[in-house]
Amino acid sequence: DIRMTQSPASLSASLGETVNIECLASEDIYSDLAWYQQKPGKSPQLLIYNANSLQNGVPSRFSGSGSGTQYSLKINSLQSEDVATYFCQQYNNYPPTFGAGTKLELK
Amino acid sequence: EVQLVESGGGLVQPGRSMKLSCAASGFTFSDYYMAWVRQAPKKGLEWVASISYEGSSTYYGDSVKGRFTISRDNAKSTLYLQMNSLRSEDTATYYCARPNWEPPYFDYWGQGVMVTVSS
Repeated sequence: DIRMTQSPASLSASLGETVNIECLASEDIYSDLAWYQQKPGKSPQLLIYNANSLQNGVPSRFSGSGSGTQYSLKINSLQSEDVATYFCQQYNNYPPTFGAGTKLELK
Repeated sequence: EVQLVESGGGLVQPGRSMKLSCAASGFTFSDYYMAWVRQAPKKGLEWVASISYEGSSTYYGDSVKGRFTISRDNAKSTLYLQMNSLRSEDTATYYCARPNWEPPYFDYWGQGVMVTVSS
C-alpha cells in the first residue's frame, strides 16, 4: 500500500496568514492526489483533486501543488472558517490511502 | 443537489452483524461507482470498500475482506454495507461516498453513521 505522510500534524496560525501543509507519498503517485477539509463533527469535503485542480465552489484562497512524491496545500489569507483538519489522499493505486491529517487552529 | 444519507448504525456486540444503508439522491445513481470510507474516533480516514456501476465488481480493504460485503440496488438508489464478525477495531463513523475516477477520490460524502462494537 502507498503510505501518505502529512506534516505538520498540527499548526496554529493567525487570521490573514498563509498556511502550507505538506504530504509525502511513499512512491510516485503521478499527481493522483486529493485534499479534503473536515470541520469538527462534519464529514470531509473535497477541496483539490489532481494535485492542483480546485473543486467547484471551493474558495480560490485554497491551492494545491506538487508532483512525484511531494505535494502541498496552500491556504492564502487564512479565515476563521478554515479551522479544520485537512487530509491528503492518493488515488494512483488501490487501496486509496489517506494521510493522518493536519489540524489547523487559530492563534 | 447531491445527497447521501446513511442509516443503520448503533451499538453491536463483538462477533455480531450489522447492515448499513445509504440513500442517494440528486444524481443518476447507476452512473457512478460507490464506496464506504470509515473513520475511527479521533483517527484518520480509511477506505473500506467500493462497488462498480451494476455491482458486478467489488473491492475491499484488507482489514474487512471476507467479513464485509458491499452491494447496491440501483432501482432504489441505495448502497449497502453488510458487516459480519464485527470487532472492536471496526468501531468508527462510516461514510457513504461518491467516487470520482478509479481508483477513486471522493467528491461527495454523507453525514456519516456511527458503529460501536462493544460488549
